[in-house]
Amino acid sequence: QQQVKQSPQSLIVQKGGISIINCAYENTAFDYFPWYQQFPGKGPALLIAIRPDVSEKKEGRFTISFNKSAKQFSLHIMDSQPGDSATYFCAASINQAGTALIFGKGTTLSVSS
Amino acid sequence: EAGVAQSPRYKIIEKRQSVAFWCNPISGHATLYWYQQILGQGPKLLIQFQNNGVVDDSQLPKDRFSAERLKGVDSTLKIQPAKLEDSAVYLCASSLDLWGENTEAFFGQGTRLTVV
Repeated sequence: QQQVKQSPQSLIVQKGGISIINCAYENTAFDYFPWYQQFPGKGPALLIAIRPDVSEKKEGRFTISFNKSAKQFSLHIMDSQPGDSATYFCAASINQAGTALIFGKGTTLSVSS
Repeated sequence: EAGVAQSPRYKIIEKRQSVAFWCNPISGHATLYWYQQILGQGPKLLIQFQNNGVVDDSQLPKDRFSAERLKGVDSTLKIQPAKLEDSAVYLCASSLDLWGENTEAFFGQGTRLTVV
């Protein structure tokens, strides 16, 4: 019940295309859902995050869509660029209880030019 | 603002040896985390501190792993004795606080451990 399941494992997108990464969870107590971006040799960095009181959050080319009833959330990267090539992790936590993030297994995105 | 500092960046040891990793969180951050990231997987929490107290160490293999944050600032993670399956990147992260709007976790670059 503490898992966060992420798909796909890898993704290849053409420059200018839309990248979509999906995550699903079971624990309905989760109340904080961030996406992290990680480049090789670096630590993960927060990209965008959402709380379950909203269904969508957009920051620049990055959008989180959240479906509370389905217990799913997804990351959309519009106009994907080669510089977006990285590994993306979804995560979840019970923010009101102060729990640490539980991460998905990651999606390696390659944007071809 | 300086980020989360970790050292060393790389470490190669033989199995059954001991190793220690150091982390200095962002100044003023009360919450500190150690995560283990095995190649091709997401980070997995090992231990979570709030100031100098342990919040969650349920996934820390306590027979071989130990961690401390004695003065509520920097922290050390130790493995003794190391096993081959401990080969991973050990990530330290910190956040301003445990909950509310101050929970964004900032990660260091990690220490890559290879056990041979």
